[in-house]
Amino acid sequence: KAGVTQTPRYLIKTRGQQVTLSCSPISGHRSVSWYQQTPGQGLQFLFEYFSETQRNKGNFPGRFSGRQFSNSRSEMNVSTLELGDSALYLCASSFQGRGTEAFFGQGTRLTVV
Amino acid sequence: DQQVKQNSPSLSVQEGRISILNCDYTNSMFDYFLWYKKYPAEGPTFLISISSIKDKNEDGRFTVFLNKSAKHLSLHIVPSQPGDSAVYFCAARAAGNKLTFGGGTRVLVKP
Repeated sequence: KAGVTQTPRYLIKTRGQQVTLSCSPISGHRSVSWYQQTPGQGLQFLFEYFSETQRNKGNFPGRFSGRQFSNSRSEMNVSTLELGDSALYLCASSFQGRGTEAFFGQGTRLTVV
Repeated sequence: DQQVKQNSPSLSVQEGRISILNCDYTNSMFDYFLWYKKYPAEGPTFLISISSIKDKNEDGRFTVFLNKSAKHLSLHIVPSQPGDSAVYFCAARAAGNKLTFGGGTRVLVKP
């Protein structure tokens, strides 16, 4: 069974640009969550999508957005990039609702210069 | 407001001995807890989980203990192996699949 796949693995962008990251969950998983990991803030929840609907949202500005497609694949978008957006962005998929484990992808390392 | 805390940033243990990692939480709404292992520049790898209705869950060398009254959980790794050297995160779930993570504990297992 293939794991969670995130593309691209590495990305370098300039301040002010926008970026789109992609996540393909484990087959059959309907929940996709996104996290940001930085040295100073640790692992922080961005948002969760379930059956194409945003179900939970973390405390991030509106520049961070996401969506989920009918095949459960998800994208997250960051507009007007800032230097502080440099981080490892992680996607996690779960089978369905509560009480199930979340499995993470390898992450996308975003560097904003 | 740190709802999940791992107060020990690092831990060093001899190969073959027990590693004990601790985690404290403040939110009583958390009802599911997970432990992850993470290497640099990679995603966290799921290790073991426990529901709030249990006080112990065991899987091979890994055992998680939950003390709800103290809002405390711990992960025991026995015996510790050099390949266990990594950063370990505890995480708690309250709503949907949103996980709140602790700051991590770096474990070094010495041969």
